[in-house]
Amino acid sequence: DTEVTQTPKHLVMGMTNKKSLKCEQHMGHRAMYWYKQKAKKPPELMFVYSYEKLSINESVPSRFSPECPNSSLLNLHLHALQPEDSALYLCASSPPSELNSPLHFGNGTRLTVT
Amino acid sequence: RKEVEQDPGPFNVPEGATVAFNCTYSNSASQSFFWYRQDCRKEPKLLMSVYSSGNEDGRFTAQLNRASQYISLLIRDSKLSDSATYLCVVNTRGGSYIPTFGRGTSLIVHP
Repeated sequence: DTEVTQTPKHLVMGMTNKKSLKCEQHMGHRAMYWYKQKAKKPPELMFVYSYEKLSINESVPSRFSPECPNSSLLNLHLHALQPEDSALYLCASSPPSELNSPLHFGNGTRLTVT
Repeated sequence: RKEVEQDPGPFNVPEGATVAFNCTYSNSASQSFFWYRQDCRKEPKLLMSVYSSGNEDGRFTAQLNRASQYISLLIRDSKLSDSATYLCVVNTRGGSYIPTFGRGTSLIVHP
């Protein structure tokens, strides 16, 4: 069982839709991440939040908008996506001050853009 | 040159075999290292951290060679259930703390 919970597990959306992905953790971790993973590729970092502040944006298009309402929650708002944005979206968390701590991943949201 | 490199494989081995994967990293400031396992269409799961002195967890042994900048994962007595992609992750201390993934090595264990 994962300690990082992502909803929904699957999402199909049209290119004109607006949807949100949600991620929650109660491990007291203060760093949270969004990754995008395409088939047969490694996870690709999108955003990092540290102490609820956006610390890294890996040049992600503005149709992806992250939000960190509090230390336990991380959202990814989606608008006007393209079919090539279809992928597995993974949320992860870690204690930010502990470099030797691994990432804890959620189960992911499998997104299909039609 | 990619920061973290792995042979994508696939490594195709019979049950009971011993198999080893390497992962090289280019940033000498890298400070912590991990192996993750990822099954098809699932999230990556931590297999083991890699410590300077090397460490073992059952059939799995991880080693770090800082001089040559690589880590390794050895799997003894392979099981069918070991079939997965093994991802190397390297953490580097800098302005921000970013875990960097290798592309993963695919392992197929056959009867």
